[in-house]
Amino acid sequence: AQSVTQPDIHITVSEGASLELRCNYSYGATPYLFWYVQSPGQGLQLLLKYFSGDTLVQGIKGFEAEFKRSQSSFNLRKPSVHWSDAAEYFCAVGGGTSYGKLTFGQGTILTVHP
Amino acid sequence: DAGITQSPRHKVTETGTPVTLRCHQTENHRYMYWYRQDPGHGLRLIHYSYGVKDTDKGEVSDGYSVSRSKTEDFLLTLESATSSQTSVYFCAIRVVDEQFFGPGTRLTVL
Repeated sequence: AQSVTQPDIHITVSEGASLELRCNYSYGATPYLFWYVQSPGQGLQLLLKYFSGDTLVQGIKGFEAEFKRSQSSFNLRKPSVHWSDAAEYFCAVGGGTSYGKLTFGQGTILTVHP
Repeated sequence: DAGITQSPRHKVTETGTPVTLRCHQTENHRYMYWYRQDPGHGLRLIHYSYGVKDTDKGEVSDGYSVSRSKTEDFLLTLESATSSQTSVYFCAIRVVDEQFFGPGTRLTVL
């Protein structure tokens, strides 16, 4: 069975600091990996995705993520956080052959201090 | 904007009453999904559909049923709502290999 673990429930950073959100997954085949962001009271917006190829993927809003198969990880990074990045972030895993079903992690809430 | 709407956006109901949530898409995509979001659990798949009248269970399907009689609409029904079904419900569509989400329905069961 597929699963996703986001070890950090809540992270606080100062504006301008770098950010890394952790994601570990379990999946029996080649995974499709996603990071979504959810602002308070809003729906989910796709930040970036990894299907194959270059293991460092770029997304919207200056985010990037690196796929490391040996560590079963797909960590999200941003070099300089803005106050508007405060939100909840979800990592998800799925596959192209499983009807597109996604399994989500528990989410990481990001607080940004001025 | 992936052309997904959900109705109602908010609903308060009482234990034991039936509730139907509607997801509507405007772009004729084949795959549709219902998730629930609860603190500490992220999003969990309830049911999904891979075509008209083709549906299957997800991870947390107990107490829920779905129907898809036409491509654009995917209905989620709680036959007899319970307090444990208080949640935010999201519908999603699959576009190629990505999922796009609707705005959500906040359901409170008293």
